[in-house]
Formats: sequence, C-alpha cells, structure tokens
Amino acid sequence: SQKIEQNSEALNIQEGKTATLTCNYTNYSPAYLQWYRQDPGRGPVFLLLIRENEKEKRKERLKVTFDTTLKQSLFHITASQPADSATYLCALGTGTASKLTFGTGTRLQVTL
Amino acid sequence: GAVVSQHPSRVICKSGTSVKIECRSLDFQATTMFWYRQFPKQSLMLMATSNEGSKATYEQGVEKDKFLINHASLTLSTLTVTSAHPEDSSFYICSAGDRGRKAFFGQGTRLTVV
Repeated sequence: SQKIEQNSEALNIQEGKTATLTCNYTNYSPAYLQWYRQDPGRGPVFLLLIRENEKEKRKERLKVTFDTTLKQSLFHITASQPADSATYLCALGTGTASKLTFGTGTRLQVTL
Repeated sequence: GAVVSQHPSRVICKSGTSVKIECRSLDFQATTMFWYRQFPKQSLMLMATSNEGSKATYEQGVEKDKFLINHASLTLSTLTVTSAHPEDSSFYICSAGDRGRKAFFGQGTRLTVV
C-alpha cells in the first residue's frame, strides 16, 4: 500500500540554524510533491511545489529537493526563527486537480 | 494566493443530530473541492472529492450516507455529517485548487459531538 513517512515526529532546533525535514514515500509515483505548514487548529498553508522532473526548488529561506530514485524529499529552512515553529506536512499528488495524499507531519520547534 | 473560506470554525452538537459545514472559494472558481478529516496529532486523511454538478467520489471506508457532500456551484461545497456520534468528533478541512496543482485550504472546522 502507499505510504508517506516524515521521519521525525518532532524536531527541535536553535534559532539561526538550518532545519531539515525529510519525507519518504513507497509504492507511489507522484507527479509532484508539495510542502505545507500547519499551525494548531488551522488548515494547512501551501509553501512549495516541486515536480517530478525538478531536483530543487527555492523560495526565500526555504529549499526543497526531490529525488525520485530515492523516493525522498528534503525540506530545508535556513536561518530558522521561532516564528517557523509549526507542523510541516509533505503531500504527494498525481493529477492536476490538487488531490493530495499527506505525510504524517513533523512538528518543528525553534528555540531562542 | 487564492482564498478558501470554511464555516463554521467550531461546532458542538448533540449525538444524533446533523451538522453542515460550508466551504467557499472566494476569488476563484473550483470545479473540484476536497474534504479531509484530521484526528489529533495525525495527518489529514482524504474523505471525498467534491465535483461541481455531479456526485462526490468517496475514499474507501468513508460512508457516503453519513457524510453527504453537495457541490451545487463553482464556489460552494457543503459537507453534512448526518446522525453525528462522538466518534465523528474531529477536525474537518476542505481544499480547492485554482486549476493548478496547488491546494488552498479552509481554516478547518472543529466538530465536537456530545
């Protein structure tokens, strides 16, 4: 069966460091992979999308890599700030209609 | 980015009653919307795909007679939880795409059945 795992349930890092979150999947051939941020009691907010034929995508302090051979995506937040503390979800999709399958999520805590 | 509005944000209902949740795309038309459910400390689980003008497509294990979905216009989908029971208590979230692959999510609805 399809499985999407985000390896760390929780990640604690110090302000200013780079946070690296992982997303691994099995039995899936996604056309694209997305990362979302979710704050408690709120819906997810879109951050980045990377397509199967792309290796890396950047947006401000965020960077995503996508390795379809390893079936893995890495999500980096550089110069992390306490405001980056949230749960980060990876999601995979195959079609164009935004139907997504979500990973388990990683709760990031950035401390001073 | 596009805006999706979900209402209500919180609802408490008695066991056996029905609850309707609305999901609106405010600045774009959405032929397809999605309904997810999220239990505490778990990820989002897709319940159904809401198709404008036609029947919804439900994921395996989701009771279509219990979770009624109506997508009567290009900007509105509703989810009705019928004969709610305490085990239906959860966080329900809708999403819509603006013809692309990005999904824009509503704020979510916290349903508590007492």
